Amino acid sequence: GEDVEQSLFLSVREGDSSVINCTYTDSSSTYLYWYKQEPGAGLQLLTYIFSNMDMKQDQRLTVLLNKKDKHLSLRIADTQTGDSAIYFCSGGNTPLVFGKGTRLSVIA
Amino acid sequence: DGGITQSPKYLFRKEGQNVTLSCEQNLNHDAMYWYRQDPGQGLRLIYYSQIVNDFQKGDIAEGYSVSREKKESFPLTVTSAQKNPTAFYLCASSRGLAGVMAGELFFGEGSRLTVL
Repeated sequence: GEDVEQSLFLSVREGDSSVINCTYTDSSSTYLYWYKQEPGAGLQLLTYIFSNMDMKQDQRLTVLLNKKDKHLSLRIADTQTGDSAIYFCSGGNTPLVFGKGTRLSVIA
Repeated sequence: DGGITQSPKYLFRKEGQNVTLSCEQNLNHDAMYWYRQDPGQGLRLIYYSQIVNDFQKGDIAEGYSVSREKKESFPLTVTSAQKNPTAFYLCASSRGLAGVMAGELFFGEGSRLTVL
């Protein structure tokens, strides 16, 4: 089955860019997803990328996919304090497998 | 407003008692899921259901049970056989069974269970 690995913590200054990295094992994943979890709440889908794409941009969010290395990243431009949350990457076929999540702390 | 409602938000129980967590959705989604979240562990799948009256075990189903008698409802029972039930439980649903919709999960706000 799918296995997803992420670093657990990231700290950035307000206004800087954040880059959250993820590696996965299942090369048959058709879509790969990024979810955001704010404190004490459920997860919310941020964006996704189709496996035959290298990059997807959505306002401040840029997703990069390196299929050869099975590496996915999420870049948040101009990071704000409201971006402080846990970010999960996920993939695999139904049902989704989630990484352990990266806790992003934004310092004002 | 459409969405997923989990209740209760907080629940305290004594060791050895069974507990049922409610999950209701009005999104008309076919698939529903239960995940458990522990600090530093991420989300782990307990059970999922892709159609009424059918469900499958996830990675950590031992000590849990579910039912899917109605499309809108997918309750989770934490039984006394679950060795370490204190956790944050998340219910989710998805629109489709394949393609990008299968991975677009809509989550409830979660239920935090504490066993004393």
